[in-house]
Amino acid sequence: NAGVTQTPKFQVLKTGQSMTLQCAQDMNHEYMSWYRQDPGMGLRLIHYSVGAGITDQGEVPNGYNVSRSTTEDFPLRLLSAAPSQTSVYFCASRTQGRGYTFGSGTRLTVV
Amino acid sequence: GQQLNQSPQSMFIQEGEDVSMNCTSSSIFNTWLWYKQDPGEGPVLLIALYKAGELTSNGRLTAQFGITRKDSFLNISASIPSDVGIYFCAGYDSGAGSYQLTFGKGTKLSVIP
Repeated sequence: NAGVTQTPKFQVLKTGQSMTLQCAQDMNHEYMSWYRQDPGMGLRLIHYSVGAGITDQGEVPNGYNVSRSTTEDFPLRLLSAAPSQTSVYFCASRTQGRGYTFGSGTRLTVV
Repeated sequence: GQQLNQSPQSMFIQEGEDVSMNCTSSSIFNTWLWYKQDPGEGPVLLIALYKAGELTSNGRLTAQFGITRKDSFLNISASIPSDVGIYFCAGYDSGAGSYQLTFGKGTKLSVIP
């Protein structure tokens, strides 16, 4: 039981490049979310999903896309990377009525 | 949207001392969660609270769900060096159909041996 797995752990992008942050969970959790963490800002919700095929925007969705084709996977796509997207990204999953389990994060730098 | 005010922002304490931190929200929550984050890692769930007035312990940690449902408290007794980290409160109002977990900005705890 691996929990929530995020890849890659580190990434450097040039402004304008696109990439996909991968997230997979093996706990059969219905709910999955993506957060970004910036100094002094805590964790802010980017997008979330309540089940396969269903996604919705969080607090800071601009510049990011998500899809949920399976229960296990919830990739986050950066369409055209900007320096403001330099952050640590966390994927999390949970089941009904329980707290989120977090992955170990992806540290993204956009230059 | 919902806002969580977490205090204090940071604490420096002596090993062996007790620690208290709290969180208040602008709206009613049905669930309160407390997480700890170690450097370079994701947050780890410490305690979950599901009912107003609930008091729950996890080892030296005790958390309470405020009666007003707009606040929560976390206490750490007899702190040790491995308690160092950032503690986050979080909550959501599942009763209102919201699946978005809102986080406080964290309390950074430093323990002086």
